Amino acid sequence: GDSVTQMEGPVTLSEEAFLTINCTYTATGYPSLFWYVQYPGEGLQLLLKATKADDKGSNKGFEATYRKETTSFHLEKGSVQVSDSAVYFCALLYNQGGKLIFGQGTELSVKP
Amino acid sequence: DAGVTQSPTHLIKTRGQQVTLRCSPKSGHDTVSWYQQALGQGPQFIFQYYEEEERQRGNFPDRFSGHQFPNYSSELNVNALLLGDSALYLCASSLVGQGVDEQFFGPGTRLTVL
Repeated sequence: GDSVTQMEGPVTLSEEAFLTINCTYTATGYPSLFWYVQYPGEGLQLLLKATKADDKGSNKGFEATYRKETTSFHLEKGSVQVSDSAVYFCALLYNQGGKLIFGQGTELSVKP
Repeated sequence: DAGVTQSPTHLIKTRGQQVTLRCSPKSGHDTVSWYQQALGQGPQFIFQYYEEEERQRGNFPDRFSGHQFPNYSSELNVNALLLGDSALYLCASSLVGQGVDEQFFGPGTRLTVL
């Protein structure tokens, strides 16, 4: 079945370090891909998305490129801040309005 | 513009009891999806409601049921609670049929089953 796999956390970085969180997916079709962020005690917020191969989603300095050949959607940021500390979820969506399939989440902790 | 709201924020129940969780979608949205997020895990899809009917269902037992009202708000009911039902329950709303696939999430209801 369809699934999403993320690198295990927690990931601990110093402020201004480069961030990569790996995400790979298994899908029989051509899903849309998403990154959601969950701050402590809150619900999920959409961070960025890409709807087709080679699309790049970007927001707040984060970016991810939909790589069909490697079935990946890795999240990157050039310089992280303490305020980026949160749990990040990669997800796929097959059809418009359908169900989201999430990875297990990767906790990021940024130290000053 | 109010986002997705959920009530209550926290709930404590005992095994065997029944619980009802509520969700109001973002203004203008017509579809509500429910997810269960166990501690340290990603959210798992329970079901989705559109036009007051269950549109899709995930791999959850019949103890989990729902309803959508004419104003698009929704309820999630869980009967015969088990310890394993302890989780954060998230509601997400979206607008189907307008080419928008983004789902907006509420803050969740934390259910503890003792």
